[in-house]
Amino acid sequence: GNSVTQMEGPVTLSEEAFLTINCTYTATGYPSLFWYVQYPGEGLQLLLKATKADDKGSNKGFEATYRKETTSFHLEKGSVQVSDSAVYFCALSDPNNAGNMLTFGGGTRLMVKP
Amino acid sequence: NAGVTQTPKFQVLKTGQSMTLQCAQDMNHNSMYWYRQDPGMGLRLIYYSASEGTTDKGEVPNGYNVSRLNKREFSLRLESAAPSQTSVYFCASSAIGTGRTEAFFGQGTRLTVV
Repeated sequence: GNSVTQMEGPVTLSEEAFLTINCTYTATGYPSLFWYVQYPGEGLQLLLKATKADDKGSNKGFEATYRKETTSFHLEKGSVQVSDSAVYFCALSDPNNAGNMLTFGGGTRLMVKP
Repeated sequence: NAGVTQTPKFQVLKTGQSMTLQCAQDMNHNSMYWYRQDPGMGLRLIYYSASEGTTDKGEVPNGYNVSRLNKREFSLRLESAAPSQTSVYFCASSAIGTGRTEAFFGQGTRLTVV
C-alpha cells in the first residue's frame, strides 16, 4: 500500500534560518505529491504540489522537488518567518484510485522564533 | 466564498452517546472525505464518497457510518461514541479527476468523548 514518512518535530528555528522538512514515500504507481500546511485552529491548506518526476512545486517561498529515484519530496525555504509557524503535512495521491484519496505523513510542527 | 463548512466546531459526548457531524461544500466537487487527526499520526481516512450515491471505507472506518445526502453534503455518524474516538475530524472535498487535484478542507470538529 501507499505510505508517507516525514521527519518528526517539532522543528524550532530562528527567523531567517533555512528550513528543510524531509519527506519520503512508498507508492505502487506514479503518485502526485503535495505539501499541506495547517495554521493554528484551522483546516489544512494546499501549499504546493508536483505531479511527475523532477517537477518542482513552489509557493510563498517554499519549494519541493519530486525525486522519483529517492522517492522523496523534501520541503525547503531559504528564510523562514514567524508567520510560517504551523504544522506541515506531506501527502500523496494515487492517480489510479478513483476516490482521489490522500495519504498523509504524520505532520511536522515548525516553530519560528523572532 | 464558503468552501467546506463543518458543524459543530466543538463537541463533548459521554461514552455511548451518538452524534452526527455535518459537512457541506459549495464548489460542485464530486468527491468528499472524512479524516480524523490524532497527534503524531497525521490524518487518517475514515470514509470517502467518490461521487454522489457512493461511499467507501477508508483506513479507520470502525465505529462510524456516513451518508452522502446529495452532491453538497456528506455526514459522519458516531452511533455509540467511545473514548478512542476523541479526535479532531476534518471533512474535505475535491474535484474528481486523475488524482492530481487539490483537496479543500473544513476547519475541523474537535470531539471529546468522556
